[in-house]
Amino acid sequence: EPEVTQTPSHQVTQMGQEVILRCVPISNHLYFYWYRQILGQKVEFLVSFYNNEISEKSEIFDDQFSVERPDGSNFTLKIRSTKLEDSAMYFCASTRVGSGGSNEQFFGPGTRLTVL
Amino acid sequence: DQQVKQNSPSLSVQEGRISILNCDYTNSMFDYFLWYKKYPAEGPTFLISISSIKDKNEDGRFTVFLNKSAKHLSLHIVPSQPGDSAVYFCAASAMGTDKLIFGTGTRLQVFP
Repeated sequence: EPEVTQTPSHQVTQMGQEVILRCVPISNHLYFYWYRQILGQKVEFLVSFYNNEISEKSEIFDDQFSVERPDGSNFTLKIRSTKLEDSAMYFCASTRVGSGGSNEQFFGPGTRLTVL
Repeated sequence: DQQVKQNSPSLSVQEGRISILNCDYTNSMFDYFLWYKKYPAEGPTFLISISSIKDKNEDGRFTVFLNKSAKHLSLHIVPSQPGDSAVYFCAASAMGTDKLIFGTGTRLQVFP
């Protein structure tokens, strides 16, 4: 069964450093997402991406964040200068059909980001 | 922002019995609802969904009920099995957007 994969599973970084979180969505999916879950809190939407551009982003997704689909398979989230409060689980998700259709999003296992 | 609420943080059910997990929402623009199951250190796993044009959707042991007038949905699991023990999240999306708004989750424990 196809699944979303994410690397690394755990990333530890110093405050102010740049990190890139990687995701390989399900191959025939067209819509891609990043969510995050701070420990003890709910899963929060960060950004959606379709047709090589951001379709929607949340208030959390400020200028420190960027997303890219550098090739036909990878989808990345970059945090330019990490802050302590960026420590969270980051989940990538994908779906074949966006809004207006069945919006079942399939999630990867997550990357735990720890900012020291 | 409490658009999706799961008021019960935990639920304990005996194996073989029915588990009922509840979810309330406030945004009348929500038109699609989903339930996800999550184990520790894993991503959410999609379970079942329902469109706002329906009031029930069934898939094996899982049934989701939607009461639009009450802005309430519930997930029924019957019969419950020990492997169902996990955190269950309700999520919703609104017309014109595909971002999911999640509830805080309910931890289900199914004991023998």
